[in-house]
Amino acid sequence: QSVLTQPPSVSGAPGQRVTISCTGSSSNIGADYDVHWYQQLPGTAPKLLIYGNINRPSGVPDRFSGSKSGTSASLAITGLQAEDEADYYCQSYDSSLIGSVFGGGTKLTVL
Amino acid sequence: QVQLVESVGGLVKPGGSLRLSCAASGFTFSDYYMSWIRQAPGKGPEWISKISSSTSYTNYADSVKGRFTISRDNAKNSLYLQMNSLRVEDTAVYYCARDMRGVAAAGPPKDYWGQGTLVTVSS
Repeated sequence: QSVLTQPPSVSGAPGQRVTISCTGSSSNIGADYDVHWYQQLPGTAPKLLIYGNINRPSGVPDRFSGSKSGTSASLAITGLQAEDEADYYCQSYDSSLIGSVFGGGTKLTVL
Repeated sequence: QVQLVESVGGLVKPGGSLRLSCAASGFTFSDYYMSWIRQAPGKGPEWISKISSSTSYTNYADSVKGRFTISRDNAKNSLYLQMNSLRVEDTAVYYCARDMRGVAAAGPPKDYWGQGTLVTVSS
C-alpha cells in the first residue's frame, strides 16, 4: 500500500489529453511538500518528468504539465503520442516517515 | 554526460549479505546528495536511503533501518549500499540516483538514475 495513491491505469487515444492524479495526506502533499513526476518505459529506469510541482527538466516536451492543490497533485499529458505509453509515478516527502515517498504508479495506455 | 553505473547484483539466501556499488561520472560527485531506491517486481519505486555530499548525514526507510548501510567515497566517485540480514521481501531492482540540487530540500527529485541492478533473495 503506497503512501501516495494513483489510479492503476488510464488510457486515451492519440492526440487526446489525459490526467493522472496523485493523492496524499496532511503529512506529505498536504503539508506543502513538493511533488515530482517520473516516466518509466518498460525495462528502463524512471526518468524525471516534472519537478517542484510544475517544472519541466530541459528536454521534456511542454505536452507534459503538473499541478498541485491541497492534498493532491496531477500530471496532465496533452496531444497523446504512442511513445507516451509508460508507467508514471509521483514522489513527495512525508514528515511522518521522514523520507521520500512514491505513488504506486499509473500505467498509461495509448489506444 | 552524467552516468551512474551500479554493480551487478545477484542471488542471495535469506539472512545473507551483499554490497552494491554505484560508479558516478560526468559531474562533481562530491557536490551532490545521493540516494538508493528499489523497485520490487510490478511495484512502484521505494526510496530506501540517502547520504549527504559530505557523508555527515544519512537517512533510511524503516523497512531497511538497522540492516542496510549507505556510504560513499568522494575520492573514488562511488556510492555504496551494504545490505545485511537480507529478507525475501528485499528482492527488487536497486537503483542509485542523484538528488537534484536547489529543489525541495526535503524529498528532492532524483534527476539521474543508474540502470538498476537486480537483487534476488531466495533460498
